[in-house]
Amino acid sequence: AQSVSQHNHHVILSEAASLELGCNYSYGGTVNLFWYVQYPGQHLQLLLKYFSGDPLVKGIKGFEAEFIKSKFSFNLRKPSVQWSDTAEYFCACSGTYKYIFGTGTRLKVLA
Amino acid sequence: DTEVTQTPKHLVMGMTNKKSLKCEQHMGHRAMYWYKQKAKKPPELMFVYSYEKLSINESVPSRFSPECPNSSLLNLHLHALQPEDSALYLCASSQVKPSGILFGPGTRLTVL
Repeated sequence: AQSVSQHNHHVILSEAASLELGCNYSYGGTVNLFWYVQYPGQHLQLLLKYFSGDPLVKGIKGFEAEFIKSKFSFNLRKPSVQWSDTAEYFCACSGTYKYIFGTGTRLKVLA
Repeated sequence: DTEVTQTPKHLVMGMTNKKSLKCEQHMGHRAMYWYKQKAKKPPELMFVYSYEKLSINESVPSRFSPECPNSSLLNLHLHALQPEDSALYLCASSQVKPSGILFGPGTRLTVL
């Protein structure tokens, strides 16, 4: 069955700290992977996506993610977070149409 | 036009009411989705339409009835809902090939 798990439910960082959020997936076929962000009071936005090719993908706002097939992982990283990165982050995987989301990680960045 | 719009933004209904949620996109996306999101939870897939045909129904109760009148519109008809159905209902769309889905702002539904 298709599933996504996110290990960190709540993360608190100070500005300029580095960020890594874990994501593991389970999927039987060719998988497509995504990170979405939901800022307070706003709707879900796509941060980055991976389909194939270079396992290191870059997204908006300085975020990147690395696909490690052997670990079934797609971790999100940012070298230096800002207060404005405070949000909820969802990892998702899909085959064709079925986009399944992880439980989310609430990130709070302290100014 | 690069967004998904949803109306209404807020809806309060009683358990005996019939109401509809509407969703529209003009990006030429041929896949459209309904998700349900409870507070502090991830979006849960309800329905997927592909080329205006229902392709996925995630065992959603029949009190939720989706409709896709054309390639730009998606409706969700609501009837005899329960208070536990109160949630944010999200519409999304995408190209048929995997590309990531684009979400609308949602309709916040309260069932009394």
